[in-house]
Amino acid sequence: GAGVSQSPSNKVTEKGKDVELRCDPISGHTALYWYRQRLGQGLEFLIYFQGNSAPDKSGLPSDRFSAERTGESVSTLTIQRTQQEDSAVYLCASSRRQGRLEQYFGPGTRLTVT
Amino acid sequence: AQSVTQLDSQVPVFEEAPVELRCNYSSSVSVYLFWYVQYPNQGLQLLLKYLSGSTLVKGINGFEAEFNKSQTSFHLRKPSVHISDTAEYFCAVSETGGSNYKLTFGKGTLLTVNP
Repeated sequence: GAGVSQSPSNKVTEKGKDVELRCDPISGHTALYWYRQRLGQGLEFLIYFQGNSAPDKSGLPSDRFSAERTGESVSTLTIQRTQQEDSAVYLCASSRRQGRLEQYFGPGTRLTVT
Repeated sequence: AQSVTQLDSQVPVFEEAPVELRCNYSSSVSVYLFWYVQYPNQGLQLLLKYLSGSTLVKGINGFEAEFNKSQTSFHLRKPSVHISDTAEYFCAVSETGGSNYKLTFGKGTLLTVNP
């Protein structure tokens, strides 16, 4: 079946602009995660959605970052007033509630802020 | 909070040689442990995981890892590598409690298999 998809695959933006990144999880997966991977670093947890429960936003680095998810489908990660330090690969993952320890990752969106 | 250290950023090996990718973790609570692989231009894929039970865990593509609680390690091994194993490998940890969905990753080890 189809895996996790993300769009765009690459995004170049100017400092100060807003960007929106999209994630389509695997159908039937109730849990969705966003991670950030800066150059030479490991993945950093950003946010977790589980069904209709309140999301765990504890990893969002600043109030310029926000994410939404409608039900158990698409999620968008929005970064407002982008800064150069926001340049990274943003990865989305999804999992079944029961097997939520196995996360399935998308290919990521490479964001470059100039 | 947990942290993961992957001691080698790059490991070059020849085809059919054995390989060990090292991972050490730090945590004040019990943990689950994972190895993920990222092939070029692809998303991360789960190789194997340790949740409980036998400390020797077997995964896909002939890889295995051993959980050593006293040494807080979870090293990944393969007895004979192929060119197709060239990829970046990430070790990850999560707590066993209610926030077990929150993975903490190491910086990755780039395995390059040469002919």
